[in-house]
Amino acid sequence: TQLLEQSPQFLSIQEGENLTVYCNSSSVFSSLQWYRQEPGEGPVLLVTVVTGGEVKKLKRLTFQFGDARKDSSLHITAAQPGDTGLYLCAGGSQGNLIFGKGTKLSVKP
Amino acid sequence: DVKVTQSSRYLVKRTGEKVFLECVQDMDHENMFWYRQDPGLGLRLIYFSYDVKMKEKGDIPEGYSVSREKKERFSLILESASTNQTSMYLCASSLRRTYEQYFGPGTRLTVT
Repeated sequence: TQLLEQSPQFLSIQEGENLTVYCNSSSVFSSLQWYRQEPGEGPVLLVTVVTGGEVKKLKRLTFQFGDARKDSSLHITAAQPGDTGLYLCAGGSQGNLIFGKGTKLSVKP
Repeated sequence: DVKVTQSSRYLVKRTGEKVFLECVQDMDHENMFWYRQDPGLGLRLIYFSYDVKMKEKGDIPEGYSVSREKKERFSLILESASTNQTSMYLCASSLRRTYEQYFGPGTRLTVT
């Protein structure tokens, strides 16, 4: 069974701080997506990474796919209250999309 | 932009009722999915469909059925609602042979 473990489960920080959240697996994925979900809403796709070692930037968010395509990280620079939400990673393999349980981020003003 | 809509944001039903949750997408996606999301359990796949009139069981299909009569519409049916089906239900769609899924806003279902 393929699993994606996300850490930490919860993170509470002050506005302006930097943070990194992680998504790890023992399995290789064809691609990996990151989603953000705000309370009471559906997840919104942020980015897809497909190549081992790939780095993508989306404003203050930096996403990296591990060289072996088994793990990924999301780094946020100078976090803002608007970054608050549940961050989900999802790995694609053999036609299936496997979701991690997410990191719940709270950014306090 | 892809738009996935769900028929209700909030729904309250009684035990034993038949419940229909509707999902419509406007981007001509072949694949459609139904998930439920519960605290501590994450997203769990109930059913999915790769084409009209096709359906496949996900990880937790018991107590649910689905219908896909048109490409843009995917319905989730709770034949006889039970309290353990109280949950957030999320519909998603994607293009054939891609993994990127686009989600609707969700339906918060409470069964009393």
